[in-house]
Amino acid sequence: QSVLTQPPSVSAAPGQKVTISCSGSSSNIGNNYVSWFQQLPQTAPKLLIYENNMRPSGIPDRFSGSKSGTSATLGITGLQTGDEADYYCGTWDSTLGSGYVFGTGTKVTVL
Amino acid sequence: EVQLVESGGGLVKPGRSLRLSCTASGFTFGDYGMGWFRQAPGKGLEWVGFIRSKAYGGTTDYAASVRGRFSISREDSKHFAYLQLNSLKSEDTAVYYCARANCRGGSCFDYWGQGTLVTVSS
Repeated sequence: QSVLTQPPSVSAAPGQKVTISCSGSSSNIGNNYVSWFQQLPQTAPKLLIYENNMRPSGIPDRFSGSKSGTSATLGITGLQTGDEADYYCGTWDSTLGSGYVFGTGTKVTVL
Repeated sequence: EVQLVESGGGLVKPGRSLRLSCTASGFTFGDYGMGWFRQAPGKGLEWVGFIRSKAYGGTTDYAASVRGRFSISREDSKHFAYLQLNSLKSEDTAVYYCARANCRGGSCFDYWGQGTLVTVSS
């Protein structure tokens, strides 16, 4: 029942680049800031990107975010084995009662 | 260092209640809104609810799936947020996380606890 749509999985070799899309609507991505979270196996989510394209302190610049209209994208360059994780986009939804919504999640595999 | 630690999870029978706690340290707790989230086994992240800071009225919002059964409160003097889970159902089985709302307009959740597992089963 996720409101935001992501590809189930993406993969690439070490050192390569991957992008993850997040598609929503005007009530969520279109009019609100997007965050991206990384969830390593059996751990809590970790904020990677906030306000569409900002990185918290300590997050390497290999991670980048962008937003256009009702879609957002996470990019990871210089892929490392430690980047294997699930990635989720998230944002507030202005539809009454919707609250904070997440994407369906994308599994990144380093080949 | 900002830290959030959840506690109170466990095995509970359907229809029963449970209260989860989230203790915060490393920041002025009362200045921030707090969110609760959950993740069912093998599933994605789901927002459960949110409590604003007292400066914004301390009001709460809930996901439709838990509205009327769950409630969130806070005790700023003790740096605690609580999630009261009533009338539990098997589909409430999940790891429950608390997280701090930050960024412009509370648009992001920048620190998360490690989570506490709630299992609803007879």
